[in-house]
Amino acid sequence: DIVLTQTPISSPVTLGQPASISCRSSQSLVHSDGNTYLSWLQQRPGQPPRLLIYKVSTRFSGVPDRFSGSGAGTDFTLKISRVEAEDVGVYYCTQATHLLTFGGGTKVEIK
Amino acid sequence: QLQLQESGPGLVKPSETLSLTCTVSGGSFSTSKFYWGWIRQPPGKGLEWIGSVFYNGNTFYNPSLKSRVTISLHTSRNQFSLRLSSVTAADTAIYYCAREVVEWGQGTLVTVSS
Repeated sequence: DIVLTQTPISSPVTLGQPASISCRSSQSLVHSDGNTYLSWLQQRPGQPPRLLIYKVSTRFSGVPDRFSGSGAGTDFTLKISRVEAEDVGVYYCTQATHLLTFGGGTKVEIK
Repeated sequence: QLQLQESGPGLVKPSETLSLTCTVSGGSFSTSKFYWGWIRQPPGKGLEWIGSVFYNGNTFYNPSLKSRVTISLHTSRNQFSLRLSSVTAADTAIYYCAREVVEWGQGTLVTVSS
């Protein structure tokens, strides 16, 4: 089974400052078709998860451009260039290269 | 726009079978080559994939739950379903249905208790 390890577990951030979340996979996430099926989800309190980024770095429809994804192989990063109040929540990385697994989550909160 | 809605009992007794249905509106299984899945989230904890069913009916399950899970597609009703047998308190969670990880239902809380 693929294990996704997210760091940090919690990220207190000042409004307007950047935030960065790391996701490390126990195996390469490059699929045999050449794609890397690593996505990022945001879950606001009391809400279902929402897709932000798919295939490592493609923003989903309607996602603000302050969110960006990068990485390759086994190491991936989600960055928020300037955190806004509405960004508070838990962020999960997820992979669909080998079945489906989720990282443990990173809680983004305002300092 | 695609919408998904979970339905089913909110309370299940230990050792019994949990059954949920996801109704999809705004789209059709027969015209889209997606996979449809169930994910759960124990209160205050992270997400756990339960399993998925492809548009052609093929299924894939989380190895840790595989012996207890059945996911089925009901194309004519635009629904897919989850059955989880022999439940315990550890199966208490919010259960979400989703199209891949793109579109999600609002989730339904299922509590396992006598």
